[in-house]
Amino acid sequence: DTGVSQNPRHKITKRGQNVTFRCDPISEHNRLYWYRQTLGQGPEFLTYFQNEAQLEKSRLLSDRFSAERPKGSFSTLEIQRTEQGDSAMYLCASSPSGTGSYEQYFGPGTRLTVT
Amino acid sequence: AQSVAQPEDQVNVAEGNPLTVKCTYSVSGNPYLFWYVQYPNRGLQFLLKYITGDNLVKGSYGFEAEFNKSQTSFHLKKPSALVSDSALYFCAGAPIHGAGSYQLTFGKGTKLSVIP
Repeated sequence: DTGVSQNPRHKITKRGQNVTFRCDPISEHNRLYWYRQTLGQGPEFLTYFQNEAQLEKSRLLSDRFSAERPKGSFSTLEIQRTEQGDSAMYLCASSPSGTGSYEQYFGPGTRLTVT
Repeated sequence: AQSVAQPEDQVNVAEGNPLTVKCTYSVSGNPYLFWYVQYPNRGLQFLLKYITGDNLVKGSYGFEAEFNKSQTSFHLKKPSALVSDSALYFCAGAPIHGAGSYQLTFGKGTKLSVIP
């Protein structure tokens, strides 16, 4: 399968713990995005990388959230001191650069439950 | 701020009938517009996009969408619905230029149920 992959698919954690999610984009894509989706809502943008540079961040991305893409390939999203309000599906997407390539391809998501 | 609205939480249609899922947008300048479909326990799948040019765009699985600038709408259509089309559909948009041009703004989604 050459699509976007995300690990883990599910994560249950206790409030106050730190969690880290991983995203592996489609190999030739140099743009990578993180979104958050809560029940009954559409995905909300969190952040965007072009290669290893984090170019845009939403104000939804509080200081407890950090994302990295150290070598311009896979990316990690860490949430520190989790809160119950962080419970959501975290989606990763990627897209190629270049003219005409605007659609983003999404992974299956990581479902986070904070108890 | 950009916004995308899907006014119907649910759409029910009989198999074989035409279907329409509505979307309106508020995006600064000229927009990119997209439709995605989400099946249970699966990620969002890209269906089609409008970037520029012909207002009627065709996508996967026989779906098409019509861009209407005056009505700021981008409704998804299919001439003959299949039971397998039952899923959650999301409309999304982004401005072509400027800040946020890579941030997709999504609607809340419309659940499509095709009744046999």
